[in-house]
This record gives sequence, C-alpha cells and structure tokens, in this order.
Amino acid sequence: EAGVAQSPRYKIIEKRQSVAFWCNPISGHATLYWYQQILGQGPKLLIQFQNNGVVDDSQLPKDRFSAERLKGVDSTLKIQPAKLEDSAVYLCASGETSGAWETQYFGPGTRLLVL
Amino acid sequence: AQRVTQPEKLLSVFKGAPVELKCNYSYSGSPELFWYVQYSRQRLQLLLRHISRESIKGFTADLNKGETSFHLKKPFAQEEDSAMYYCAYTNAGGTSYGKLTFGQGTILTVHP
Repeated sequence: EAGVAQSPRYKIIEKRQSVAFWCNPISGHATLYWYQQILGQGPKLLIQFQNNGVVDDSQLPKDRFSAERLKGVDSTLKIQPAKLEDSAVYLCASGETSGAWETQYFGPGTRLLVL
Repeated sequence: AQRVTQPEKLLSVFKGAPVELKCNYSYSGSPELFWYVQYSRQRLQLLLRHISRESIKGFTADLNKGETSFHLKKPFAQEEDSAMYYCAYTNAGGTSYGKLTFGQGTILTVHP
C-alpha cells in the first residue's frame, strides 16, 4: 500500500516569499492533517480536514497560512508571506478509521528553510 | 489547553537493560494516549495506543489516570530501539477527535 506522499521534500526561500506544499493522502482516508514541527519540538497540529471540510484550524496562523483540500483528496498548504520563524518540517498525515479508533499515517515531511 | 510533557530529551541505556520513557499529560474530556516512534530516516509511525493494551516490539505502556502518566517501558532494550519517541494525546470525546497534541520527544540511544 502506498503511503502518504508529500512534495517538495525540501524548500529554501527568502522571507516574505510565498511557498506551497502538496500532500496526497492514502486512498480512502477521509481525514487529513497538517502539522508543523519546529526543530527540537514535537509536531503541532495546524489544520484538520474531514473530507473537504475543515474540522479544526484553531492553531493555523490565518494571516499568512492557508490550506485547502480539493475534492476531499489532495491538499495544499500555503504560506504567504513567509517569516523566519516558519522554518520547520511540515508533516501531512491521513487517518484510517477502524471502529471507534483512528490511526494516523504520516508522510515524509517537507523541510522548509526561510532565510 | 492540553499539554503533554516528556521530561527527558535524551535517554541512553545499554543493550539488555530496562528502559522507561516518561510521559505526563494534562487533559480534558476522555484522554486517549499514544506513543509514536521515528527511526532514523523513516517516517513518524504509531507504536502503540493505550486502548489496545498491546505489547509492540516488546514495549508496553499503561495509562495511569490518577498520576496522569503514560510511561513507555521495555524490560530489555535492543540496539534497534534507538529512535525518537513521542507521546501524544487526543480527546476521544471531543468534536475534533484525532487532533493530536505531541510531547517534545525523547531520543533513546541503546548502546551495544
């Protein structure tokens, strides 16, 4: 079974530039998550989708970050304009539900460096 | 807000020694706790969850609601256990079930 795919794997930009990340979840997974992982910290949830609807975006800095999940499959996360503190690994995960449980499967991440 | 605390950033043991990775949490609602692991150059993956009460790769973890702890234990560590371990929490009774709050992680190194 193919896993969660993310691209690009690495990105270097200058502050105030824009950047976009792409995620292709595991086929059939209804839930999709974007996490930000700053060096030395655990992942922090940015946004949670159920199909193509947003369930939770309370920790998404909406003045500069946006995300969408077209047709309930692929998702993109955009930062515009980027700041130095946005340097992090951006992880995408999709969730498989079995009964009352959900298991999240993570992608390899996109490592962003803002100079 | 929910918090997950892993007090040790680094933990070193020798092969065959017991290992315990500590995790404490603050919560609201119905806590569901997990341990995730990231081996070198691999993706973050689920190791175990408290509800399943399984032993995975020799690891076990018991949820202690009184002490709000979910420590990960293994009686005899192996070199292949060397990895980054994250404790994570979700509110099973919340509207955004699945929203994981992670601890800062513990790097476990098992020496030969």
